[in-house]
Amino acid sequence: QVQLQQSGPGLVKPSQTLSLTCVISGDSVSSDRAAWNWIRQSPSRGLEWLGRTWYKSKWSYDYAVSVKSRITVTPDTSKNQFSLHLSSVTPDDSAVYYCAREDVGYGNNQFAFWGQGTLVTVSS
Amino acid sequence: QSVLTQPPSASGTPGQRVTISCSGSRSNIGSNYVYWYQQVPGMAPKVLMYRNDERPSGVPDRFSASKSDTSASLAISGLRSEDEADYFCAAWDDGLSVWMFGGGTKLTVL
Repeated sequence: QVQLQQSGPGLVKPSQTLSLTCVISGDSVSSDRAAWNWIRQSPSRGLEWLGRTWYKSKWSYDYAVSVKSRITVTPDTSKNQFSLHLSSVTPDDSAVYYCAREDVGYGNNQFAFWGQGTLVTVSS
Repeated sequence: QSVLTQPPSASGTPGQRVTISCSGSRSNIGSNYVYWYQQVPGMAPKVLMYRNDERPSGVPDRFSASKSDTSASLAISGLRSEDEADYFCAAWDDGLSVWMFGGGTKLTVL
């Protein structure tokens, strides 16, 4: 059974960088059957997909246009985890952030496993 | 603003059948599979339906879904109190290369 455990600060100051980590158990960040995603949820934006990384001979990345200039998703094979870094945050970035495993390779790209969610507030 | 459009709310009494719609465009629902997620307050979403109309093991057959052109719908028959939750549709958008989610429908069991 795949489990995703999130960690990171719940309060970030405006203009700083939001950083969250998602530790994977029961699977590998280098699996060719998965993509590793970050999704956030807020009352104003609903569920918003932010970006993902996956490995198939090399690491690849997709990012949402809305945050493309500010986001980095970073895999760490030594710790079997992946991280989200979102720079220059504003109060509008306040949300519950989720990491999620996306099944790939079988024509079924469901988000089958999710982290527990981290409420991040951007405030001075 | 969500690109996939859902009604913000739906309701029904126990035993009734309710449907939730999800409207998109050719670049998302019209070109790719639709997924449905159920979310209870305080928890992460859980996949309810995948590849338009398939149910993961463990999801009751009271839940069904369909897709036609650029729209999709989720149906819940024999409504039960535990079905009270938020429901989201999702599809990959080929034009923007992003995952799109619906705004969510809050289902109330009266």
